[in-house]
Amino acid sequence: DAKTTQPPSMDCAEGRAANLPCNHSTISGNEYVYWYRQIHSQGPQYIIHGLKNNETNEMASLIITEDRKSSTLILPHATLRDTAVYYCIVRGLIQGAQKLVFGQGTRLTINP
Amino acid sequence: NAGVTQTPKFQVLKTGQSMTLQCAQDMNHEYMSWYRQDPGMGLRLIHYSVGAGITDQGEVPNGYNVSRSTTEDFPLRLLSAAPSQTSVYFCASSYHTPTGFSGTEAFFGQGTRLTVV
Repeated sequence: DAKTTQPPSMDCAEGRAANLPCNHSTISGNEYVYWYRQIHSQGPQYIIHGLKNNETNEMASLIITEDRKSSTLILPHATLRDTAVYYCIVRGLIQGAQKLVFGQGTRLTINP
Repeated sequence: NAGVTQTPKFQVLKTGQSMTLQCAQDMNHEYMSWYRQDPGMGLRLIHYSVGAGITDQGEVPNGYNVSRSTTEDFPLRLLSAAPSQTSVYFCASSYHTPTGFSGTEAFFGQGTRLTVV
């Protein structure tokens, strides 16, 4: 799996958009970008994933650059409950999710 | 539909004791995995399984055994607990989807917090 690089911490004001970057410059053509988050030592929770097109669901949006070497997770209207550690993971789709490689992630703090 | 259930939630062991951490899922997922998380770190893979009767080692397998006799259950055994195994343990499950975009994410349990003294 490709290695990812994320900033260790970020702050965002409640109600504003939180933009979390991830670099994955060694990503290969068949690898997807996945985002998970972990709220206060609970089990990680899946957020979104994408290949090359931008993706949006009820939780977030994922913007992937045209060269696919980086991506941004966007929480459009951050709330205090979005305070968590966010993990960006790159892996092939077919190999399955049984061997996820977690880095240090980004600790996002939403401030009132 | 309970998802992934881990028991116990908390456990204190003495050095040298053995125990089994239980993990069960009711989503008929083929894949199951065990991770450990130490303070301030990301999760590290211990063992995983791609189906009943099939297991393999992850990044940090030493000191742990697993078996997969049914699709639903994937217990993690500590044969002789050591203080270095003090950690939070997470079980996860997912579908095997060779095609398709959806349904490829992993579902995690709420964790077992283990302290070895």
